[in-house]
Amino acid sequence: SQTIHQWPATLVQPVGSPLSLECTVEGTSNPNLYWYRQAAGRGLQLLFYSVGIGQISSEVPQNLSASRPQDRQFILSSKKLLLSDSGFYLCAWVGHPNTEAFFGQGTRLTVV
Amino acid sequence: GENVEQHPSTLSVQEGDSAVIKCTYSDSASNYFPWYKQELGKGPQLIIDIRSNVGEKKDQRIAVTLNKTAKHFSLHITETQPEDSAVYFCAASKGFNKFYFGSGTKLNVKP
Repeated sequence: SQTIHQWPATLVQPVGSPLSLECTVEGTSNPNLYWYRQAAGRGLQLLFYSVGIGQISSEVPQNLSASRPQDRQFILSSKKLLLSDSGFYLCAWVGHPNTEAFFGQGTRLTVV
Repeated sequence: GENVEQHPSTLSVQEGDSAVIKCTYSDSASNYFPWYKQELGKGPQLIIDIRSNVGEKKDQRIAVTLNKTAKHFSLHITETQPEDSAVYFCAASKGFNKFYFGSGTKLNVKP
Protein backbone atom coordinates (compact mmCIF):
# COMPACT_ATOMS: atom_id res chain seq x y z
CA SER A 1 0.00 0.00 0.00
CA GLN A 2 1.05 3.58 -0.54
CA THR A 3 2.32 5.67 2.37
CA ILE A 4 3.67 9.16 2.69
CA HIS A 5 6.25 10.22 5.26
CA GLN A 6 6.84 13.79 6.25
CA TRP A 7 9.29 15.05 8.84
CA PRO A 8 9.93 16.58 11.21
CA ALA A 9 6.52 16.83 12.87
CA THR A 10 7.38 20.08 14.64
CA LEU A 11 10.16 22.58 14.16
CA VAL A 12 11.10 25.83 15.87
CA GLN A 13 13.62 27.90 13.95
CA PRO A 14 15.03 31.41 14.44
CA VAL A 15 14.49 34.12 11.86
CA GLY A 16 17.21 34.03 9.22
CA SER A 17 18.00 30.33 9.66
CA PRO A 18 17.75 27.80 6.79
CA LEU A 19 14.95 25.27 6.40
CA SER A 20 14.70 21.80 4.95
CA LEU A 21 11.51 19.75 5.15
CA GLU A 22 11.45 16.33 3.56
CA CYS A 23 8.64 14.24 2.16
CA THR A 24 8.90 10.73 0.77
CA VAL A 25 6.30 8.47 -0.76
CA GLU A 26 6.31 4.68 -0.77
CA GLY A 27 4.38 2.19 -2.82
CA THR A 28 3.91 4.22 -5.97
CA SER A 29 5.98 5.50 -8.85
CA ASN A 30 6.01 8.80 -10.70
CA PRO A 31 3.48 10.49 -8.41
CA ASN A 32 2.54 14.14 -8.63
CA LEU A 33 3.87 15.74 -5.45
CA TYR A 34 2.69 18.89 -3.72
CA TRP A 35 3.62 21.24 -0.88
CA TYR A 36 0.81 23.12 0.84
CA ARG A 37 0.92 25.64 3.67
CA GLN A 38 -1.86 26.14 6.15
CA ALA A 39 -1.68 29.36 8.16
CA ALA A 40 -3.41 29.39 11.55
CA GLY A 41 -7.18 29.19 11.08
CA ARG A 42 -6.93 29.36 7.32
CA GLY A 43 -7.19 27.10 4.31
CA LEU A 44 -4.58 25.19 2.36
CA GLN A 45 -2.44 27.25 0.04
CA LEU A 46 -0.68 25.42 -2.78
CA LEU A 47 3.01 26.37 -2.76
CA PHE A 48 4.71 23.98 -5.19
CA TYR A 49 3.89 20.98 -7.28
CA SER A 50 6.00 18.54 -9.24
CA VAL A 51 5.10 16.08 -11.98
CA GLY A 52 8.54 14.47 -12.15
CA ILE A 53 12.19 14.53 -11.08
CA GLY A 54 13.61 18.02 -11.32
CA GLN A 55 10.27 19.48 -12.44
CA ILE A 56 8.98 22.11 -10.04
CA SER A 57 6.18 24.62 -10.50
CA SER A 58 5.66 27.46 -8.07
CA GLU A 59 2.19 28.75 -7.39
CA VAL A 60 3.03 31.87 -5.41
CA PRO A 61 6.15 34.03 -5.10
CA GLN A 62 7.73 33.51 -1.74
CA ASN A 63 10.78 32.93 0.38
CA LEU A 64 10.66 29.17 -0.18
CA SER A 65 11.90 26.77 -2.83
CA ALA A 66 11.28 23.12 -3.62
CA SER A 67 13.31 20.34 -5.17
CA ARG A 68 12.64 16.80 -6.31
CA PRO A 69 15.94 14.95 -6.42
CA GLN A 70 14.33 11.52 -6.66
CA ASP A 71 11.02 10.20 -7.99
CA ARG A 72 9.47 9.81 -4.56
CA GLN A 73 11.24 12.57 -2.63
CA PHE A 74 10.10 16.16 -2.37
CA ILE A 75 12.00 18.78 -0.35
CA LEU A 76 10.89 22.22 0.78
CA SER A 77 13.70 24.65 1.57
CA SER A 78 14.53 28.18 2.53
CA LYS A 79 17.88 29.92 2.81
CA LYS A 80 16.65 32.45 5.37
CA LEU A 81 13.37 32.02 7.22
CA LEU A 82 11.00 34.90 7.86
CA LEU A 83 8.45 35.20 10.65
CA SER A 84 5.72 34.97 8.01
CA ASP A 85 6.95 31.49 7.05
CA SER A 86 5.41 30.07 10.22
CA GLY A 87 2.59 27.63 9.54
CA PHE A 88 1.58 24.03 9.06
CA TYR A 89 3.24 22.53 5.99
CA LEU A 90 1.67 19.59 4.27
CA CYS A 91 3.07 17.31 1.61
CA ALA A 92 0.65 15.48 -0.68
CA TRP A 93 0.77 13.10 -3.62
CA VAL A 94 -1.50 12.01 -6.43
CA GLY A 95 -0.83 8.74 -8.17
CA HIS A 96 -1.53 7.39 -11.63
CA PRO A 97 -4.07 6.64 -12.90
CA ASN A 98 -5.84 9.61 -11.40
CA THR A 99 -6.59 9.13 -7.74
CA GLU A 100 -7.35 11.28 -4.75
CA ALA A 101 -4.71 13.45 -3.10
CA PHE A 102 -3.11 11.80 -0.05
CA PHE A 103 -1.62 14.02 2.63
CA GLY A 104 1.22 13.54 5.05
CA GLN A 105 0.82 14.30 8.73
CA GLY A 106 2.29 17.77 8.36
CA THR A 107 5.10 19.81 9.88
CA ARG A 108 4.30 22.57 12.34
CA LEU A 109 6.93 25.28 11.71
CA THR A 110 7.31 28.15 14.12
CA VAL A 111 9.76 30.88 13.23
CA VAL A 112 10.84 32.91 16.26
CA GLY B 1 -6.07 29.80 -11.41
CA GLU B 2 -9.05 28.30 -9.65
CA ASN B 3 -10.70 30.16 -6.75
CA VAL B 4 -12.64 28.09 -4.23
CA GLU B 5 -14.80 29.78 -1.61
CA GLN B 6 -16.23 27.90 1.36
CA HIS B 7 -18.97 28.78 3.85
CA PRO B 8 -19.52 28.90 6.72
CA SER B 9 -16.16 29.23 8.43
CA THR B 10 -17.58 27.78 11.65
CA LEU B 11 -20.63 25.63 12.22
CA SER B 12 -22.04 24.44 15.50
CA VAL B 13 -24.80 21.82 15.58
CA GLN B 14 -26.44 19.62 18.16
CA GLU B 15 -25.69 15.92 18.04
CA GLY B 16 -28.14 14.22 15.73
CA ASP B 17 -28.79 17.30 13.63
CA SER B 18 -27.62 17.75 10.04
CA ALA B 19 -24.73 19.92 8.90
CA VAL B 20 -24.31 21.50 5.48
CA ILE B 21 -21.14 23.11 4.13
CA LYS B 22 -21.15 24.93 0.80
CA CYS B 23 -18.43 25.72 -1.71
CA THR B 24 -18.25 27.60 -4.99
CA TYR B 25 -15.58 27.42 -7.64
CA SER B 26 -14.59 29.71 -10.48
CA ASP B 27 -13.06 27.51 -13.19
CA SER B 28 -15.76 25.78 -15.21
CA ALA B 29 -13.13 23.27 -16.41
CA SER B 30 -12.71 21.83 -12.90
CA ASN B 31 -14.01 18.29 -12.92
CA TYR B 32 -13.17 16.69 -9.59
CA PHE B 33 -14.39 17.88 -6.19
CA PRO B 34 -13.13 16.14 -3.06
CA TRP B 35 -13.95 16.85 0.57
CA TYR B 36 -11.37 16.41 3.29
CA LYS B 37 -11.64 16.12 7.05
CA GLN B 38 -8.77 17.40 9.16
CA GLU B 39 -8.43 16.55 12.81
CA LEU B 40 -6.27 18.65 15.09
CA GLY B 41 -2.57 18.41 14.29
CA LYS B 42 -3.04 15.95 11.44
CA GLY B 43 -3.08 16.03 7.68
CA PRO B 44 -6.43 16.13 5.85
CA GLN B 45 -8.07 12.86 4.87
CA LEU B 46 -10.48 12.30 2.05
CA ILE B 47 -14.03 11.56 3.16
CA ILE B 48 -15.98 11.76 -0.10
CA ASP B 49 -15.53 13.04 -3.61
CA ILE B 50 -17.58 13.70 -6.71
CA ARG B 51 -16.76 14.01 -10.37
CA SER B 52 -18.33 16.45 -12.76
CA ASN B 53 -20.40 13.82 -14.54
CA VAL B 54 -22.33 13.07 -11.35
CA GLY B 55 -24.85 15.29 -9.55
CA GLU B 56 -24.95 13.57 -6.19
CA LYS B 57 -23.05 10.94 -4.27
CA LYS B 58 -23.81 9.39 -0.91
CA ASP B 59 -21.79 7.32 1.54
CA GLN B 60 -23.71 6.39 4.68
CA ARG B 61 -24.25 9.64 6.63
CA ILE B 62 -22.27 11.78 4.20
CA ALA B 63 -23.45 13.10 0.85
CA VAL B 64 -22.12 15.57 -1.67
CA THR B 65 -24.08 17.42 -4.34
CA LEU B 66 -22.73 19.23 -7.38
CA ASN B 67 -24.37 21.92 -9.50
CA LYS B 68 -22.09 22.45 -12.50
CA THR B 69 -24.19 25.23 -13.96
CA ALA B 70 -24.01 27.30 -10.81
CA LYS B 71 -20.50 26.08 -10.03
CA HIS B 72 -21.20 25.09 -6.48
CA PHE B 73 -21.06 21.90 -4.46
CA SER B 74 -22.09 21.01 -0.95
CA LEU B 75 -21.31 18.52 1.80
CA HIS B 76 -24.19 17.14 3.83
CA ILE B 77 -23.67 15.25 7.07
CA THR B 78 -26.76 13.71 8.64
CA GLU B 79 -27.22 12.41 12.19
CA THR B 80 -24.07 14.19 13.32
CA GLN B 81 -21.96 12.68 16.07
CA PRO B 82 -19.31 14.26 18.34
CA GLU B 83 -16.60 12.46 16.38
CA ASP B 84 -17.65 14.43 13.30
CA SER B 85 -16.16 17.52 14.97
CA ALA B 86 -13.21 18.61 12.84
CA VAL B 87 -12.24 21.06 10.12
CA TYR B 88 -13.66 20.24 6.69
CA PHE B 89 -12.15 21.41 3.42
CA CYS B 90 -13.62 21.36 -0.03
CA ALA B 91 -11.38 21.34 -3.08
CA ALA B 92 -11.58 21.60 -6.85
CA SER B 93 -9.28 20.05 -9.37
CA LYS B 94 -8.91 19.93 -13.12
CA GLY B 95 -7.51 16.65 -14.29
CA PHE B 96 -6.07 15.72 -10.89
CA ASN B 97 -3.07 17.96 -11.45
CA LYS B 98 -3.57 20.72 -8.91
CA PHE B 99 -5.99 20.80 -6.03
CA TYR B 100 -7.32 24.17 -4.88
CA PHE B 101 -8.83 24.22 -1.43
CA GLY B 102 -11.46 26.28 0.30
CA SER B 103 -10.66 28.09 3.53
CA GLY B 104 -12.17 25.37 5.72
CA THR B 105 -15.17 24.96 8.01
CA LYS B 106 -14.72 24.18 11.68
CA LEU B 107 -17.59 21.88 12.62
CA ASN B 108 -18.46 21.50 16.28
CA VAL B 109 -21.00 18.83 17.19
CA LYS B 110 -22.32 19.39 20.70
CA PRO B 111 -23.33 16.27 22.64
